[in-house]
Amino acid sequence: NAGVTQTPKFQVLKTGQSMTLQCAQDMNHNSMYWYRQDPGMGLRLIYYSASEGTTDKGEVPNGYNVSRLNKREFSLRLESAAPSQTSVYFCASRAGQGRGYTFGSGTRLTVV
Amino acid sequence: DQQVKQNSPSLSVQEGRISILNCDYTNSMFDYFLWYKKYPAEGPTFLISISSIKDKNEDGRFTVFLNKSAKHLSLHIVPSQPGDSAVYFCAAAGDSGGSNYKLTFGKGTLLTVNP
Repeated sequence: NAGVTQTPKFQVLKTGQSMTLQCAQDMNHNSMYWYRQDPGMGLRLIYYSASEGTTDKGEVPNGYNVSRLNKREFSLRLESAAPSQTSVYFCASRAGQGRGYTFGSGTRLTVV
Repeated sequence: DQQVKQNSPSLSVQEGRISILNCDYTNSMFDYFLWYKKYPAEGPTFLISISSIKDKNEDGRFTVFLNKSAKHLSLHIVPSQPGDSAVYFCAAAGDSGGSNYKLTFGKGTLLTVNP
């Protein structure tokens, strides 16, 4: 079982460029989440999807969009990258009424 | 406003001793609490959890204590091992696993266990 797979693992963007971070899970989980981790800030929720076809904003949604393509895939898009979006991005998923997440290994994004 | 607080950015202990990591929360709606462990260049992994109906949960060397009146929880690791060196995140949630369920994380505590 791969669990939660994130691609790419590393990316460098120039300010103003766009990109999509991909996330896929093979555990048949209903809910999926995007977090960012910054030094001294912990993990902050960007967007989440409680189930296929629904998405909701988290704590820090500005500058991002998401798509829940199907039950397996939840992508995060940066339309016009800014240096403040330099971070490590983690995707996670959760089964039905389960209370814990399974995380991917992260995407390290640098915006110059 | 930070709802989950880990006030110690780092902690250093000797191998074999007890490690105690602390976490405070402000949201009274939180009813489930988790600890995650994170190694560099990896995603966080689940360690142990506790429901608000309990005050203690134990799993091997790891024990989590919950004091609801003080809105405080702690993670005890006994005995500490060098492989326990990692960042530990405290997390909390309400909504009993429903559609609005989401975890709120603290800033993390870097634990270093010295041989």
